[in-house]
Amino acid sequence: DVKVTQSSRYLVKRTGEKVFLECVQDMDHENMFWYRQDPGLGLRLIYFSYDVKMKEKGDIPEGYSVSREKKERFSLILESASTNQTSMYLCASSSRGRGTDEQYFGPGTRLTVT
Amino acid sequence: DAKTTQPPSMDCAEGRAANLPCNHSTISGNEYVYWYRQIHSQGPQYIIHGLKNNETNEMASLIITEDRKSSTLILPHATLRDTAVYYCIVRFFSSGSARQLTFGSGTQLTVLP
Repeated sequence: DVKVTQSSRYLVKRTGEKVFLECVQDMDHENMFWYRQDPGLGLRLIYFSYDVKMKEKGDIPEGYSVSREKKERFSLILESASTNQTSMYLCASSSRGRGTDEQYFGPGTRLTVT
Repeated sequence: DAKTTQPPSMDCAEGRAANLPCNHSTISGNEYVYWYRQIHSQGPQYIIHGLKNNETNEMASLIITEDRKSSTLILPHATLRDTAVYYCIVRFFSSGSARQLTFGSGTQLTVLP
């Protein structure tokens, strides 16, 4: 079974804090993704990585950065958290051979910025 | 990506088969049908995908009509844990650049005891 884990289920941070969200997958997948999910807006792709140290911007990268130093780990960084970054953050991974859209998601981190 | 249409909600008795329909009448020849579900407050879960042949895995079966304009996801013995929103997506296969997974409104399946 593919397993994608995220460092926290719930997180509360203050405006201006630097926030790290960690994601680890155990299936040797090449691709890893960070999304946020908000009511009425669906899933929105923040960043994507198709290999170690490689990254591509998704549709809403502003205010975020990512790091992929090891194949199994993909980190999302909020450089200076703001209240409009309160959201559910979802990490996913996929195998290049099985296709980008067969994605396996983690349980999500519900981040609240106060 | 082709547009999909799903009923907003369905009920199913526990232990019975749940048959979830999806219409995708504008699907093109190279587009795949993907199914995901999302249980409340959890991340989406990939279920199955197919092109033209019927597919089965440990979670579900996918039946695609011969003209490919509709499909049905079958959960053979629904349990209470299958209560979730089920999303049908039609996409061209890609092993390259990522694309945003866009879910429509899906079908809320409620499995009743």
